[in-house]
Order: sequence, then C-alpha cells, then structure tokens
Amino acid sequence: AQTVTQSQPEMSVQEAETVTLSCTYDTSESDYYLFWYKQPPSRQMILVIRQEAYKQQNATENRFSVNFQKAAKSFSLKISDSQLGDAAMYFCAYYVKTSYDKVIFGPGTSLSVIP
Amino acid sequence: DTGVSQNPRHKITKRGQNVTFRCDPISEHNRLYWYRQTLGQGPEFLTYFQNEAQLEKSRLLSDRFSAERPKGSFSTLEIQRTEQGDSAMYLCASSLQGRNTEAFFGQGTRLTVV
Repeated sequence: AQTVTQSQPEMSVQEAETVTLSCTYDTSESDYYLFWYKQPPSRQMILVIRQEAYKQQNATENRFSVNFQKAAKSFSLKISDSQLGDAAMYFCAYYVKTSYDKVIFGPGTSLSVIP
Repeated sequence: DTGVSQNPRHKITKRGQNVTFRCDPISEHNRLYWYRQTLGQGPEFLTYFQNEAQLEKSRLLSDRFSAERPKGSFSTLEIQRTEQGDSAMYLCASSLQGRNTEAFFGQGTRLTVV
C-alpha cells in the first residue's frame, strides 16, 4: 500500500525563523512525484513545491525548499524567513504515474507562526 | 475566474436526505478528482475521472455515493440517504494529463448532516 506519514501534527515557528516539516512515504514505485500542499484556514489548497523522484537535486521555490532522500523515502519541507502568511495546514502528498494515478495525502501538519 | 469551481460552498441537510455537489474543473483539464476531508485530516481519495470515464473508485465510496462526469466537463457527486458520518469537506481537483501533473483544487463543499 502507498502511504504518506507526517509525524508532526503541529509545529510553531517564530516569524523570520526557519522551520522544517517532516514527511515519509512508502512505495515500491521508482517513478513518482512528491508534493507539499498548503491549506490556509477556510481557503483552498495550493501547491507549494514539487519534486520529481528521478531528479536528485532538491527543489526550491523562493523561501521553500525540500530535502529529498529517496533511499530513506523522506521528503521534508524547509520554510525560511517564516512569515505570518505561512500559517496553514501543510500536506505532504505522493503521486505515482500508473495507469490510474491519483494523489495520496498525508494527515497534515498545522503550522503556527508566532509574531 | 479560471480556477476549479465548486458549488455549493456549504450545505446543511437532514439525515436521510439526498445531496448533490457540482465541480467545474479548469477547462482544458481532462482529469478530475473527488476527495473527502474531515476536520484535522488530509484529503482522502474518493474517485477519479479521465475525461468522462470514471477510472477508479475508493472503498470509501459506498453504494450511497455516485459520481458522474457527462461529456468530460463538469462533475457531480451525489450522496443518497445521508448519514451524520458523511459530514465533511468534499474537495474537487483537476489536472492535465502528462508527466508534469499538478492538481488544482477547488475551495470545497462543506457538508453538515444534522
């Protein structure tokens, strides 16, 4: 079974500081994508960053970067210079390209940003 | 507005009633997904369409649930004989088939069964 685990239900960070959210996944596939999605309160889910499994280089999007450890099946998200607008639920997600592909989500990490 | 649109945003219904939700995906997207999200949890996959074909259904989708996507455009999700356990946020997402797929989500329909 394909699963995504986020072991930190809640995290907090001081404004302007750096925080890392953890994610592990389980798959037997070799060709897949990993995502971090952000869901602010009462707002729709948006994609933060994406990593393709065949790429060794860690993805970066402005203040957001990932640490992708394929052998360990680990995919953590680092948020630098945290801002108040970063407060949200963050979901790690996994997508494998098979005949019938779908995105599988982890349970989420609630991030609070302290002014 | 070119994003994924879901209607209604909120629905309160009495137990035993039927409800129907609608999702309008991004126009050129041929894939459409339905997810259910309960409070404090990640979205759980329900079903998936490629064009008008329903390709996969989760075990979460009981016989009381049915989804359609006529003509491969908008989709509807119907729940018959609603139960209190059906209370959740129902999310729709769409994507374009291809290697670099990103799913775009709607704002969801929040269902409360009383």
